[in-house]
Amino acid sequence: QLQLQESGSGLVKPSQTLSLICAVSGGSMSSGGYTWAWIRQPPGKGLEWIGNMYADGSTHYNPSLKSRVTISVDRSKNQFSLKVNSVTAADTAVYYCAREIPSSINWFDPWGQGTLVTVSS
Amino acid sequence: QSVLTQPPSVSGAPGQRVTISCTGSSSNIGANYDVHWYQQLPGTAPRVLIYGNSNRPSGVPDRFSGSKSGTSASLAITGLQAEDEADYYCQSYDSSLSASVFGGGTKLTVL
Repeated sequence: QLQLQESGSGLVKPSQTLSLICAVSGGSMSSGGYTWAWIRQPPGKGLEWIGNMYADGSTHYNPSLKSRVTISVDRSKNQFSLKVNSVTAADTAVYYCAREIPSSINWFDPWGQGTLVTVSS
Repeated sequence: QSVLTQPPSVSGAPGQRVTISCTGSSSNIGANYDVHWYQQLPGTAPRVLIYGNSNRPSGVPDRFSGSKSGTSASLAITGLQAEDEADYYCQSYDSSLSASVFGGGTKLTVL
């Protein structure tokens, strides 16, 4: 059974860079041609899609975050990562990684358990 | 403000039927893009409940059903149970944003 686990800095200072890793277990990221995504949820609020990485390594980001976000993959470690630079308090959220299931409109399954990142000095 | 609009809250007594709406526009649901639904229990990650408008993954009870018409979609829950108390989110794609989009979420309270 495929499992995803987020890890990274839980506290980031304003203007610095948020860095997270999503470790994939129970299967290889390189098989199946799947797309891998990051989604976030500010405390007490709804979900926001951040971006994704396709099997060919290309990326697609939410236009609202595009200038500050980078998603990359390390297939040798079976993990992918998220970087958000120039963070502010508005970037405080639980960050989830997920696999996208290919369909006419992709859906997300499974999800990692999520990791809380707080932006504060 | 979310691109897809959901009621902030709905409620129902055990055994009753409730519906949660998800209203979009011509650039998302109205463009014939599929809608998916997720359930988020308190303190946990979302899990898919309905995919492709009306399909249930294995393990999801048939008390949950989905439909879509025009620029809106709906999630129906029949035979309401205490364990259904959770937040529910719809998800689709918006062509003007070129992004996957979620509804603002609906909190279901079982009275």
